[in-house]
Amino acid sequence: EAQVTQNPRYLITVTGKKLTVTCSQNMNHEYMSWYRQDPGLGLRQIYYSMNVEVTDKGDVPEGYKVSRKEKRNFPLILESPSPNQTSLYFCASSFTSAGELFFGEGSRLTVL
Amino acid sequence: ILNVEQSPQSLHVQEGDSTNFTCSFPSSNFYALHWYRWETAKSPEALFVMTLNGDEKKKGRISATLNTKEGYSYLYIKGSQPEDSATYLCASYSGSARQLTFGSGTQLTVLP
Repeated sequence: EAQVTQNPRYLITVTGKKLTVTCSQNMNHEYMSWYRQDPGLGLRQIYYSMNVEVTDKGDVPEGYKVSRKEKRNFPLILESPSPNQTSLYFCASSFTSAGELFFGEGSRLTVL
Repeated sequence: ILNVEQSPQSLHVQEGDSTNFTCSFPSSNFYALHWYRWETAKSPEALFVMTLNGDEKKKGRISATLNTKEGYSYLYIKGSQPEDSATYLCASYSGSARQLTFGSGTQLTVLP
């Protein structure tokens, strides 16, 4: 089954404790992206990757890091989480940056 | 950052009513317009990806039109059903920014 898998789905953590949200896709997509969704705002892009070893900042990259060492994986790293990073996070992938996005199930993160 | 706007923000209709909502986006450097349906506790799923001015797409009772010259797209739902209740997101892809920018969505509730 074609899918994008994110883990964890839910996480409560404390300020400053490093965490990683994993994202994996099995569709051989070149393009992958991370979004955060906050009430009243649309999906805002954090980082994206056009291909292996190619990553770039989106609209709200501060406080986040990513890596793309393999085509299927695109983890999101919060080195020192802060309460303003409490949000719902989505990973998505596509064949191209303009193509239909396939979303993961979302990861709800709470930073205390 | 592109400005993609959706209206209305929320909408309540009775079962059987037809409804429509609007997405407006910058017409300069336009490349593609996406519509996604996002049900509560699920991940967004693509409805349509449109690129050509005058494009019309249909999937069951849902259809969409695109006007790239004036920068708007309409999503229509004919004979709304309770299962159509969801947030409908549009996103515009700019050829210059090479980025998909989402609107904040229209939340549709269909009352039985």
